[in-house]
Amino acid sequence: DIEMTQSPSSLSASVGDTVAITCRASQSITTYLNWYQQKPGKAPKLVIYAASSLQSGVPSRFSGSGSGRDFTLTISNLQPEDFATYHCQQSYRTASITFGQGTRLE
Amino acid sequence: QVHLQESGPGLVKPSQTLSLTCTVSGGSISSGSNYWSWIRQPAGKALEWIGRIHTSGSTKYNSSLQSRVSLSIDTSKNQFSLNLNSVTAADTAVYFCARESWEWLPSFDAWGQGTLVSVSS
Repeated sequence: DIEMTQSPSSLSASVGDTVAITCRASQSITTYLNWYQQKPGKAPKLVIYAASSLQSGVPSRFSGSGSGRDFTLTISNLQPEDFATYHCQQSYRTASITFGQGTRLE
Repeated sequence: QVHLQESGPGLVKPSQTLSLTCTVSGGSISSGSNYWSWIRQPAGKALEWIGRIHTSGSTKYNSSLQSRVSLSIDTSKNQFSLNLNSVTAADTAVYFCARESWEWLPSFDAWGQGTLVSVSS
């Protein structure tokens, strides 16, 4: 299986800040990388797909970058509703989908 | 706007079979380039993909669960289901059903709210 490693595991920030969360794959996954936002007690919500494409309805302060093994989710001008846990997920190996361990933004 | 809703017992005894159903509304389960997946999340842990099914009946399972899991689909009811047998406490988790869109690179673009299943005697 492709292992996905996120860093940091948790991140403290304030409204208005710009933050970056990174995700590293154990092998190249080209751009088969998705990011999800999850709030407590809720289902994950797709934020970024194909490494850098913004899901419909997601604010433009969210952006994704990277290819190969290293990826970044950047959130600019943090808003109160952005405080959540973020998960990366690879879809390169569709027979064995894997997720990162999550990054808690608080 | 498609909506997914999980249903099934919240408590299962060890060694028994966990059975959940996901009902899709707001769209046909047969439309588009979609697969239908189950994903679980033990408390405080990472998301774990369980497997997917297509309306053709084609399935793919997580290799770590393959010997215990089966998925089925009922297009007439717009539902798909999960069976996980020989459960243990390690199978206690929130179980989500999700739509996996293959229109571009695959992603889970719609999720159910999740249902907590506890394995305990």
